[in-house]
Amino acid sequence: AQKITQTQPGMFVQEKEAVTLDCTYDTSDPSYGLFWYKQPSSGEMIFLIYQGSYDQQNATEGRYSLNFQKARKSANLVISASQLGDSAMYFCAMREGMNTGFQKLVFGTGTRLLVSP
Amino acid sequence: KAGVTQTPRYLIKTRGQQVTLSCSPISGHRSVSWYQQTPGQGLQFLFEYFSETQRNKGNFPGRFSGRQFSNSRSEMNVSTLELGDSALYLCASSLDLLAKNIQYFGAGTRLSVL
Repeated sequence: AQKITQTQPGMFVQEKEAVTLDCTYDTSDPSYGLFWYKQPSSGEMIFLIYQGSYDQQNATEGRYSLNFQKARKSANLVISASQLGDSAMYFCAMREGMNTGFQKLVFGTGTRLLVSP
Repeated sequence: KAGVTQTPRYLIKTRGQQVTLSCSPISGHRSVSWYQQTPGQGLQFLFEYFSETQRNKGNFPGRFSGRQFSNSRSEMNVSTLELGDSALYLCASSLDLLAKNIQYFGAGTRLSVL
């Protein structure tokens, strides 16, 4: 079974608008972390934002915020005021067993975001 | 502070050969993980190392191996290359094993097997 599901293969947004990238996850582990990474065409994975399963508030990092709905098992990324440089692939990832020390990330299939002028 | 450095950036090999990829983590980071990215399978976990010990391994054949040195630098090796090994290989480093660790990735090594 897919542990991380990203249902939007591609998204299109105009510059300065907000966009939401969807991510749902599946785990029975009570201790997990959710991550979003950006991958430009150069290939490097750039960390954007992190949300822990026990965190009470939604994470925010500058223009990025994570809409965490634990009961629905969703962790959507919201990018406010899109910029041309935001055009890239975006991956949602999960790490289970946060107290075990294991670092393994499980990734979704990604969403390609295109920002137009 | 320098990021994660992977060398080489590009490699072309032929079937049956072997290859070694290198990863230098962010200074002070002691944990290194490797991932394979292909259009068909997406991003898949290969293995992770901490203090020169492999702590976890993904579902890959034994042709894929790795190691970590005392300075936290890591190498991965693929023997008897197959066409399907063509991929972007990404290395990530994190500070330690604490719960809220963030993994930071390098730019990857793009391997083409002909």
